[in-house]
Amino acid sequence: EPEVTQTPSHQVTQMGQEVILRCVPISNHLYFYWYRQILGQKVEFLVSFYNNEISEKSEIFDDQFSVERPDGSNFTLKIRSTKLEDSAMYFCASSESPSGTSRQYFGPGTRLTVT
Amino acid sequence: GQQLNQSPQSMFIQEGEDVSMNCTSSSIFNTWLWYKQDPGEGPVLLIALYKAGELTSNGRLTAQFGITRKDSFLNISASIPSDVGIYFCAGQDSMDSNYQLIWGAGTKLIIKP
Repeated sequence: EPEVTQTPSHQVTQMGQEVILRCVPISNHLYFYWYRQILGQKVEFLVSFYNNEISEKSEIFDDQFSVERPDGSNFTLKIRSTKLEDSAMYFCASSESPSGTSRQYFGPGTRLTVT
Repeated sequence: GQQLNQSPQSMFIQEGEDVSMNCTSSSIFNTWLWYKQDPGEGPVLLIALYKAGELTSNGRLTAQFGITRKDSFLNISASIPSDVGIYFCAGQDSMDSNYQLIWGAGTKLIIKP
């Protein structure tokens, strides 16, 4: 079965540093997403992306966050100046379409630890 | 904002027991999804439901899309040790044109030794 991949699996960074989390969505998918899960809490939507622009973003996705599809395969999440509360698992997902009948495939996640 | 209540928060069961968990929303959903998450990994889709009243099985798992479109349940029959993990419900609001997934807080399943 096709899969979404994410790198790195674990990123440790100091507060105030910039981090870039990378995702390779499934090749024929057009819609991309980032979710966050603080340890022990529920998965939260951050942003959706289609046609090289943000479709929707949550209140969590403030000016410190940005997303980019720099080439035909990668989809990145950048946190400009990390805070302690950014420590979480970050999941990338992709789907063929945004419709309710299109499954979102999730990557394994990147654990971000901000110290 | 959108509310999705999932219960119970955690369950301690004996191997072989049946398990039931449910989710309710404050608004009408057009899709209900059930995911399982193992420690350190991403959520894996177990069952997807697209129609009110739909009852779908996947091996020992059965899930139903409530008639009111505001709730869903997941049952696991004859639990085994590998069922341990966190189960999340997620849904798509019928009024959300961006089809974001709204997630429940999860039900942690623990098998008593």
